[in-house]
Amino acid sequence: LAKTTQPISMDSYEGQEVNITCSHNNIATNDYITWYQQFPSQGPRFIIQGYKTKVTNEVASLFIPADRKSSTLSLPRVSLSDTAVYYCLVGDAAGRRALTFGSGTRLQVQP
Amino acid sequence: DAGVTQSPTHLIKTRGQQVTLRCSPKSGHDTVSWYQQALGQGPQFIFQYYEEEERQRGNFPDRFSGHQFPNYSSELNVNALLLGDSALYLCASSVAGGHEQYFGPGTRLTVT
Repeated sequence: LAKTTQPISMDSYEGQEVNITCSHNNIATNDYITWYQQFPSQGPRFIIQGYKTKVTNEVASLFIPADRKSSTLSLPRVSLSDTAVYYCLVGDAAGRRALTFGSGTRLQVQP
Repeated sequence: DAGVTQSPTHLIKTRGQQVTLRCSPKSGHDTVSWYQQALGQGPQFIFQYYEEEERQRGNFPDRFSGHQFPNYSSELNVNALLLGDSALYLCASSVAGGHEQYFGPGTRLTVT
């Protein structure tokens, strides 16, 4: 399984754009990149998934360069409620695969 | 539409005891995965069930076992509890062909 590396923590202020970068140098050809968000004492929640270039949904954008060795989760105009741990996962896109979580990035949004 | 539900919410057990945790998947989902999350760590995959059989297993001892019922709900059993088993136990459901897993709120197990 491709190993991922992401910052342990990040700080931001309300209204700012936050970019969290994940490194995955050994990503396989058929691997997808998926991000989950987790609030304290809750289960992780799927945010976004992509294979290449750019993916955007109602909550985030995911930027993937051509070599796919890294990816960046972009959260536009964060609010206090975006304070959470964000996990970058690499692997098969299928819902039946065993998800491999790292330690994630702890985002703290200040007023 | 109810999402993934888990019971109980919290549980306190004594070392050496046995525990059973329960999970009901999201409507329409046939696959249930269990994860263990220690404090400050990411979730770790325990095993996955679909068609009432264990299909994948992570690096957990045989003290961890499970079951899936015909209605797709699932149980996680842990025998001979150790202090290190204290964690948040998460259940996630999914379907074949789907691209994400939906997680429940978890069961907080404390072993004393």
